[in-house]
Amino acid sequence: DIVMTQSPDSLAVSLGETATINCKSGQSVLYSFNNKNYLAWYQQKPGQPPKLLIYWASTRESGVPDRFSGSGSGTDFTLTISSLQAEDAAVYYCQQYYNTPRTFGQGTKLEIK
Amino acid sequence: VQLQESGPGLVKPSETLSLICNVSGGSINSYYWNWIRQPPGKGLEWIGHIFYSGGTNYNPSLKSRVTISMDASKNQFSVKLTSVTAADTAVYYCAKEFDRSGLRWFDSWGQGTLVTVSS
Repeated sequence: DIVMTQSPDSLAVSLGETATINCKSGQSVLYSFNNKNYLAWYQQKPGQPPKLLIYWASTRESGVPDRFSGSGSGTDFTLTISSLQAEDAAVYYCQQYYNTPRTFGQGTKLEIK
Repeated sequence: VQLQESGPGLVKPSETLSLICNVSGGSINSYYWNWIRQPPGKGLEWIGHIFYSGGTNYNPSLKSRVTISMDASKNQFSVKLTSVTAADTAVYYCAKEFDRSGLRWFDSWGQGTLVTVSS
């Protein structure tokens, strides 16, 4: 299994500031044949299913504000949320779809100060 | 595509958990269809998936107890988990993968259904 490790477990960031969440995979999730990273980011609010934010490590899902951006390659990835708004308070998960079993990071809880 | 889980909310220890995911707005004869669970207050665990040909892949941690199947005539797929314990108490989600390739993200999720294992 590919272990996905997120850091930090939680963070509190002021309204309007930038939050950075890191995700490290236990092995590379980059396929050399297409040079794509098989890594997605999701946002989950209480009582709701996860919502897709980012796929291919850096491609924003349709309808997701451009305040959300993803970066990284191989084993190290980052989700950056700029100009934080109150509605961004949630738990964020990274997930690899490089192989099965699909695995998720443990989640990072973002609080807006 | 919309997905909706249904099934008993309470299952007794050692019995079998059975859930159905009803798919609307698209054909189940395309894509990969997944089950994912989330224990209360914890993270997400992939259970397994079934694809359009009927083939399946399961999480090795659950493989001996889980079966995912599909009923194309009803446009639904299901999960059965045998010999459940309290550790199987979770919100169970069904989810669709983006396309037929088998290596894609989850782009549609059901709302989830809480299953509690208790006598």
